[in-house]
Amino acid sequence: GDSVTQMEGPVTLSEEAFLTINCTYTATGYPSLFWYVQYPGEGLQLLLKATKADDKGSNKGFEATYRKETTSFHLEKGSVQVSDSAVYFCALCVTSGTYKYIFGTGTRLKVLA
Amino acid sequence: EPEVTQTPSHQVTQMGQEVILRCVPISNHLYFYWYRQILGQKVEFLVSFYNNEISEKSEIFDDQFSVERPDGSNFTLKIRSTKLEDSAMYFCASSLGQGLNQPQHFGDGTRLSIL
Repeated sequence: GDSVTQMEGPVTLSEEAFLTINCTYTATGYPSLFWYVQYPGEGLQLLLKATKADDKGSNKGFEATYRKETTSFHLEKGSVQVSDSAVYFCALCVTSGTYKYIFGTGTRLKVLA
Repeated sequence: EPEVTQTPSHQVTQMGQEVILRCVPISNHLYFYWYRQILGQKVEFLVSFYNNEISEKSEIFDDQFSVERPDGSNFTLKIRSTKLEDSAMYFCASSLGQGLNQPQHFGDGTRLSIL
């Protein structure tokens, strides 16, 4: 069935370091892909999305490119800040029937000053 | 920016008791969802709701669960007789439509603890 696999966390980086959080997926058809972020004590916030192959989603300095050939949607940021500390979830939206989301397990990012 | 709001933020309930989790979706949204996240595990789809009926439900959503939109604003999830394994964070979400460009907006979640 459809699934999302994320790299295990936690990921600990120093401020201004480069961030990559890997995400790969398995899906039938052509899903939309999303990154959601969950700051401490808060809900899931949409960070960025891509709806077709080679699309690049970007927001707040984060980027991810929908790579159909490698079934990946890795999240990157060139220079992380302490305020980026959160849990990041990769998700896909399946289009069979209801447009439900399938999430990865989440990757906790901790950025140290 | 409009938000999905959920109440309460934390609910503690004795095993076997009924619990109702409440959500107020974004006002012009038409599609509503519940997800849950058991501690340390994935966020899992429970149910979707449109036009006053369930569109799809997962195998988790058994006869103990029900959803309702009792008025024009609230969307509730009821667990009739709670079990220890129902302890989780429950997220409500809503979307304007169901196209691939209609992302779901999530609330902050209700943490349900079953004793």
